[in-house]
Amino acid sequence: DQQVKQNSPSLSVQEGRISILNCDYTNSMFDYFLWYKKYPAEGPTFLISISSIKDKNEDGRFTVFLNKSAKHLSLHIVPSQPGDSAVYFCAASGLGGGSNYKLTFGKGTLLTVNP
Amino acid sequence: GAGVSQSPSNKVTEKGKDVELRCDPISGHTALYWYRQSLGQGLEFLIYFQGNSAPDKSGLPSDRFSAERTGGSVSTLTIQRTQQEDSAVYLCASSLMYSNQPQHFGDGTRLSIL
Repeated sequence: DQQVKQNSPSLSVQEGRISILNCDYTNSMFDYFLWYKKYPAEGPTFLISISSIKDKNEDGRFTVFLNKSAKHLSLHIVPSQPGDSAVYFCAASGLGGGSNYKLTFGKGTLLTVNP
Repeated sequence: GAGVSQSPSNKVTEKGKDVELRCDPISGHTALYWYRQSLGQGLEFLIYFQGNSAPDKSGLPSDRFSAERTGGSVSTLTIQRTQQEDSAVYLCASSLMYSNQPQHFGDGTRLSIL
């Protein structure tokens, strides 16, 4: 039973365009959501997060949107750069305590940004 | 470099042997987590340590897996009598104890069981 789903295993975009990565979740107890980027042979690197009390959080080129009623979040990267090419994982945690508990991860989306 | 440090980076061992994986968290982080990523899968939670509280071991797949955290800092994940299905990348993460603080990961140990 996958509680966090990333339905697109891969995404390819042109440099300079917007990349939109999507994530759906089923557990209504999740209240903190994160995106991680992962290069081969490295650990996941934290990118951006959002608490369930917000619907948008922005950090430079990265924006995360949360739609609680749809149990859906998305990561927007604008403009996309070739160095953004990596696997992106969506993760969620809950129990009302923020991230100080286990993360449930999606299976990842491989983003390729073409020059 | 004040990131999460894991050793060894790679480990190849024969089926049936015991292995120990080490994690050194970010200084000041009281929460420590172990995850694993099997081929083609997302990250799977194994165990969680928070301060002096009893660890949450709910993700450990069998009683061959155990972990300890000494002095509230370094952690060791031990797998006894390894099986081929234990082959995976084992990742450690740490975080501050406050709400809504992200977990920061090490680069993992790639474990291969022959």
